[in-house]
This record gives sequence, structure tokens and C-alpha cells, in this order.
Amino acid sequence: DQQVKQNSPSLSVQEGRISILNCDYTNSMFDYFLWYKKYPAEGPTFLISISSIKDKNEDGRFTVFLNKSAKHLSLHIVPSQPGDSAVYFCAARGISGSARQLTFGSGTQLTVLP
Amino acid sequence: EAQVTQNPRYLITVTGKKLTVTCSQNMNHEYMSWYRQDPGLGLRQIYYSMNVEVTDKGDVPEGYKVSRKEKRNFPLILESPSPNQTSLYFCASSLSKYWRGTVAYEQYFGPGTRLTVT
Repeated sequence: DQQVKQNSPSLSVQEGRISILNCDYTNSMFDYFLWYKKYPAEGPTFLISISSIKDKNEDGRFTVFLNKSAKHLSLHIVPSQPGDSAVYFCAARGISGSARQLTFGSGTQLTVLP
Repeated sequence: EAQVTQNPRYLITVTGKKLTVTCSQNMNHEYMSWYRQDPGLGLRQIYYSMNVEVTDKGDVPEGYKVSRKEKRNFPLILESPSPNQTSLYFCASSLSKYWRGTVAYEQYFGPGTRLTVT
């Protein structure tokens, strides 16, 4: 049973427009959420994170929103650029167990069209 | 340059032939972890290590072994590989730092090892 779900395997967006990637989770004990970006033939790289005590975190073109009541988070990229084309994974950390153990979603392939 | 390295990057082997994938980090991180990535399943944790000589099972540990005798190294061992272990493997190490007022448990990932077991 996947505790972190990314229901859209792929997303295409025009350059300059907003990209919205979604992630749902089922475990209410998750207290920290992260987004990673992965290019082909490379390992995932950390993008942005948010603590469960916040509902929004922003870093340049990237903003993560957290809706705890809906157990939903989203990553907004504005404006989208061709270099943003990659697979995006959301991940969640549980309060119990290892402080650094992360549960990942299945990923969303974002394609930004020039 | 701060990095996580894995070797080999690509490996094709046969069922039952023991193999080791090495992982090394130069950031003095205490936490290290192994993941496998499979289509539609994302990244699943195999084993992790909180420090030297401290290891624990992740979500999919069957068929794998690890050791952590030095802080910088965390090898993944497949004693008797089987075709269902064909996958893309990632090693990661963890940095714990404050980022905009919260503790950020970001993990640094290696470049990946693509393993094929025939």
C-alpha cells in the first residue's frame, strides 16, 4: 500500500506557464515533505521542502503548498522553463522510526515545451 | 567536490553470482541509505544506516545485505542475485541542516547503478 502517491505519471506544460505537480499521502504521522528532481542518468537532487507546521514554502520559481486536512501537497513552478523537464518525486518523513527515513512517491515526468 | 559515488554504474550478471555495489560519500554524513527505483513504484528503501555499525531494514530488504564499517562507505551486497533484482539502484547520504527556520533532512543521491540479472 503506497503511503505517498503521485497519480499523474506525466505532465506537459508550455514554457512560461505554471506547472503544478500533485502528491497525496495517507499517513497522518508524516511531518516533513520534500520534492526531488531527477534527470536521466543522474541521481535525484533535492529541490524544496516543507514542514507540517507550515502550509507554504517558496524558493525562487518553486513553491510547495501543504494541505494537511486533505493530506495533499503540490509543487508549483512559475514560470516553467525547458530545463525543468525532469521526473519529480515527492517524499515524506515520518515522526516515528528513523528521523531521516523517507517514503517516496512514484514520480511525475514533467515536460516543458519550448 | 561534495558527492556520493557508486560503482559500478552498469552491471549485467547472472542469477546466483554474488555481487557488491559500492557507495562512498565525502561529506562526513552519518546517515546513508540504499534505494531501488522501478517503473511505477518510485524509490523504495532497501536498507539504511544511522552511523557506523548501525544498519536497519527499509521497505524491501529481502535478498540484500549491507555493512557500515566506515563512515564514508556503505556497500550493498547481493549474495545470490535473482532476475527480480534487476533495477536501478541509488545510494544516498543525509545532510541535516536548518533551512528557512526548519530542519531540512535532504538526502544527497549518487548517480545510480543499473543492474541487470539474467
